[in-house]
Amino acid sequence: GEDVEQSLFLSVREGDSSVINCTYTDSSSTYLYWYKQEPGAGLQLLTYIFSNMDMKQDQRLTVLLNKKDKHLSLRIADTQTGDSAIYFCAERGQNTGFQKLVFGTGTRLLVSP
Amino acid sequence: DSGVTQTPKHLITATGQRVTLRCSPRSGDLSVYWYQQSLDQGLQFLIQYYNGEERAKGNILERFSAQQFPDLHSELNLSSLELGDSALYFCASSVSGRGDNEQFFGPGTRLTVL
Repeated sequence: GEDVEQSLFLSVREGDSSVINCTYTDSSSTYLYWYKQEPGAGLQLLTYIFSNMDMKQDQRLTVLLNKKDKHLSLRIADTQTGDSAIYFCAERGQNTGFQKLVFGTGTRLLVSP
Repeated sequence: DSGVTQTPKHLITATGQRVTLRCSPRSGDLSVYWYQQSLDQGLQFLIQYYNGEERAKGNILERFSAQQFPDLHSELNLSSLELGDSALYFCASSVSGRGDNEQFFGPGTRLTVL
């Protein structure tokens, strides 16, 4: 079945760049997403990338996709304390009829001043 | 604010009981999805409805059921509750059921089963 893996924890200092990594197994994945979850809140879509793209940049966020290695990363430039949250990678693909999102375990990002 | 509303925000109940979680999608969205977030299982897709009809089913237990009403709001019914059902239940909505439609998530309902 489909599987999405992430490292559990990342700690950075304010102003540094953060890189959160994700690997997935579904070769039919067409859409890959990054969601942010702040404490006590729902999921907020940060950005997404189509599988025919290698990179997408949106202000401080850069998404890199290596489709051959099934590896997705999210880089946050100039990380701020307000970026502290759990970040989920998710994929949607043909194998699941494109209907459901398959989420990773989430990476807890802690930004210290 | 995503425009998706969920009620109640918190629910505390006992084992064996039955509860109903409610979701109102964003205005104009026809599709509703339910997800469960627990410490054990992470975030899992439960079920999807599109314009009143079930479209896709995920890891939803037989004790759980859902429906989408003509006004497009949806309810998730959880019965014979067990301790392991304690989780955060999210509803999401999208314009249609297509894969390229962004899903917007509600704030979730936190269910605690004692």
